[in-house]
Amino acid sequence: EAGVVQSPRYKIIEKKQPVAFWCNPISGHNTLYWYRQNLGQGPELLIRYENEEAVDDSQLPKDRFSAERLKGVDSTLKIQPAELGDSAVYLCASSLGRGGYGYTFGSGTRLTVV
Amino acid sequence: KNEVEQSPQNLTAQEGEFITINCSYSVGISALHWLQQHPGGGIVSLFMLSSGKKKHGRLIATINIQEKHSSLHITASHPRDSAVYICAVSINYGGSQGNLIFGKGTKLSVKP
Repeated sequence: EAGVVQSPRYKIIEKKQPVAFWCNPISGHNTLYWYRQNLGQGPELLIRYENEEAVDDSQLPKDRFSAERLKGVDSTLKIQPAELGDSAVYLCASSLGRGGYGYTFGSGTRLTVV
Repeated sequence: KNEVEQSPQNLTAQEGEFITINCSYSVGISALHWLQQHPGGGIVSLFMLSSGKKKHGRLIATINIQEKHSSLHITASHPRDSAVYICAVSINYGGSQGNLIFGKGTKLSVKP
């Protein structure tokens, strides 16, 4: 079975440009997470989905970040416009549900804003 | 103070050495996770613990719920074990239940 699939693996863009990341979770995993990981730090939650509903987006900078999870399966995370400080690894993870379940992480997208 | 603290931040060992990485947390949890991250960025889940001890190959993870402390041990370390090891906890309260809080990671380098 394929794991959590993310694309692209790497992205370099100029500041003020838009960028989008895509995530395909494990089949049957209802809960999907987007995390941002800055260099030398642990990942930090941006948004959590339960099926197609965003149930925790308190850490998502809503002025420039948006996300959606179509039909409760694939998800996209968008930044528009990107800023230099957005350079980071963006990780997607999925699990069967909240708490007490294992997590499966994708390979991440390394974003560099120049 | 971070809710999940790991030590050491960096660790260099000689091949064959026994390695211990520690994790302390200050919040209520439903489970603790040990994760491995290689330079490419992807994260692999090693263990999920809610009590006691688990072993997989040369890796052993223990947790003491009363003391809010966990350790990851690597026996007979090998250069291929070089990676960042991250401790993360699943929160068990409130609207954030199920969310993970991560430590900053321990960068392990095993020299041949």
